Amino acid sequence: EVQLVESGGGLVQPGGSLRLSCEASGFAFSSYWIHWVRQAPGKGLVWVSRIKSDGTTTDYADSVKGRFTISRDNAKNTVFLEMNNLRAEDTAVYYCARVGGRTYALDIWGQGTMLTVSS
Amino acid sequence: DIQMTQSPSSLSASVGDRVTITCRASQSISSYLNWFQQKPGKAPKLLIYGASDLQSGVPLRFSGSGSGTDFTLTINGLQPEDFATYYCQQSYSTLWTFGQGTKVDLK
Repeated sequence: EVQLVESGGGLVQPGGSLRLSCEASGFAFSSYWIHWVRQAPGKGLVWVSRIKSDGTTTDYADSVKGRFTISRDNAKNTVFLEMNNLRAEDTAVYYCARVGGRTYALDIWGQGTMLTVSS
Repeated sequence: DIQMTQSPSSLSASVGDRVTITCRASQSISSYLNWFQQKPGKAPKLLIYGASDLQSGVPLRFSGSGSGTDFTLTINGLQPEDFATYYCQQSYSTLWTFGQGTKVDLK
């Protein structure tokens, strides 16, 4: 089964750090771009970051640039999102998603992991 | 960044209705426009990619059209399982962006 599974969410104090993981299975992971998208409680979807299949290209939304770092380990079929200097407004469900080769769209999504930034 | 604006923000409809949601980009995005459906507590699901191509497994009552800056998602014959929130999203620029969402609920 083709799937993505996020982990690593939790409760963090403002200014703190956390690393999210996104583990893939059922497809040739090293051939696909992976994105992170977040959704604050009761709000819409917000694109966060992306990483190229070989890890050589990364991009970030302005709201997280300089604080978040996306990386991947293709040997472990895993993408990471390292989040530093966290703010209350980073509180959200974080989804990872795959860009389909045929669709050039986010065709496979994980179930999401919740990050709460609060003191 | 490219801004995506959906309208309406919400709508009420009945089973069997034809529903139309529009999405406007702040600049031309060619046909790099995707539509997603999201139900409460669930991950989004890809419905339409490339403005008008139906994702595998998605019912034929869903269709998309448009290019440039103006796009439309149409549901012909709304079904009970279609009550959800719908998002457009552009994949034209380096930084991808979503519309604010359109919630479709039962009239």
